[in-house]
Parts: sequence; C-alpha cells; structure tokens
Amino acid sequence: GQQVMQIPQYQHVQEGEDFTTYCNSSTTLSNIQWYKQRPGGHPVFLIQLVKSGEVKKQKRLTFQFGEAKKNSSLHITATQTTDVGTYFCAGGDNYGQNFVFGPGTRLSVLP
Amino acid sequence: EAGVAQSPRYKIIEKRQSVAFWCNPISGHATLYWYQQILGQGPKLLIQFQNNGVVDDSQLPKDRFSAERLKGVDSTLKIQPAKLEDSAVYLCASSLEQVNTGELFFGEGSRLTVL
Repeated sequence: GQQVMQIPQYQHVQEGEDFTTYCNSSTTLSNIQWYKQRPGGHPVFLIQLVKSGEVKKQKRLTFQFGEAKKNSSLHITATQTTDVGTYFCAGGDNYGQNFVFGPGTRLSVLP
Repeated sequence: EAGVAQSPRYKIIEKRQSVAFWCNPISGHATLYWYQQILGQGPKLLIQFQNNGVVDDSQLPKDRFSAERLKGVDSTLKIQPAKLEDSAVYLCASSLEQVNTGELFFGEGSRLTVL
C-alpha cells in the first residue's frame, strides 16, 4: 500500500535559523497537504498542493510539490519559537482513496 | 463557525473493557474521518465516511472496532474489547469536499488510556 515518509524525524534549531522537512511517497500523489500540530494539540491545516512543481508561500513558509508528484518539502525561513510543533504531510493517491499521513517532523526552536 | 466536537476528551479503562467516542462534524461537511494517533506517530486512518456510507475501512480492526455515522451527521467509534495497544488519541476530522480533497478540520481528540 501507499507509504509516506518524512525526514528528519526531529530537528532542533536556534531561533532565526532556517528549517526544512521533506516528504516522500512510494506512489504518485494526486495532492499533498501539510498540517502543523502543536504539543498537546490537534493537526491544523496549513496548505494543499495539487499541481506538479507547484510552489506556494505563506509568509515565512514555502511549500513545494515535486515534478513527479511523489515528494514535497516545507521550508521555514528564520524560525521563531511559535513555529514549534510537529509538521505532517498527508498525501492522497490517484484513485481518490487512501489519504495517508507521514510520521511527522518534530521541530524544536531554541530561543 | 463551530468546530469539530468530540467527547469524551479523556478516558481511562482496563483492558477487555469497552469504550465509545462521539464526534459531531462541522455542519454541512459530508466527509468524516476517524484517525488513531499513537504517541510520537502520525495519524493513521481508521475509517472514512461520505455522508452515512463507508468509503474506506480497510485499516479498521473489525474484530474489535466498529463505527457508524447515523443520518450522515454524528458518528461514534466503539472499541470492544480494548487492548493495551489501543492507547492513543482518537481524532475525528471532517471535510466539506469529497474524499481526499480539501482541508481536513480536526477535533481536539479523545485520549484513551488502556491499563
């Protein structure tokens, strides 16, 4: 079945440093979504990417969908303590079924 | 706009006992999901409904888990009998759009501890 992996599992950065997490799927995706989960909280939607090679920006966050629609990345510029949390990607396959979450990347930001 | 409501927030039971979780999705959302999130892992889909019909329950342990969505609105997830490995947060999510497109809105979750 479809598998979604993320690297790294953990990332510790100093406030102001950049951060990137990578998401890879074993199958071609129809779309990919990114969610953020604060400690003790629930996942909150950040963005959805649909098109091959698509790049979207939200303030300090940049999201990219790979040309082959099998990988994606989230880049945060100049991290802040409010960025702390776990970032999950979730991919939908081409059959309209199986919306699978990756294991997440846990980000810690040291002030 | 009210969010996805779940109850109870916390539940502690002993193994072999039963438990039920309730979810009220955002009004008008046709698609409803139940996810299991074990500590330190990503959410794992248990079952998804489109209105009151099951779209995917391939990862639901049907010998002990059951779920229903009566009248295409509220949903309940039941575990009977519970095992130690069922300790997790059970997240309900809903989506306005059809399956696997559009934003998922998650509830606060129901944290289950099985002793």
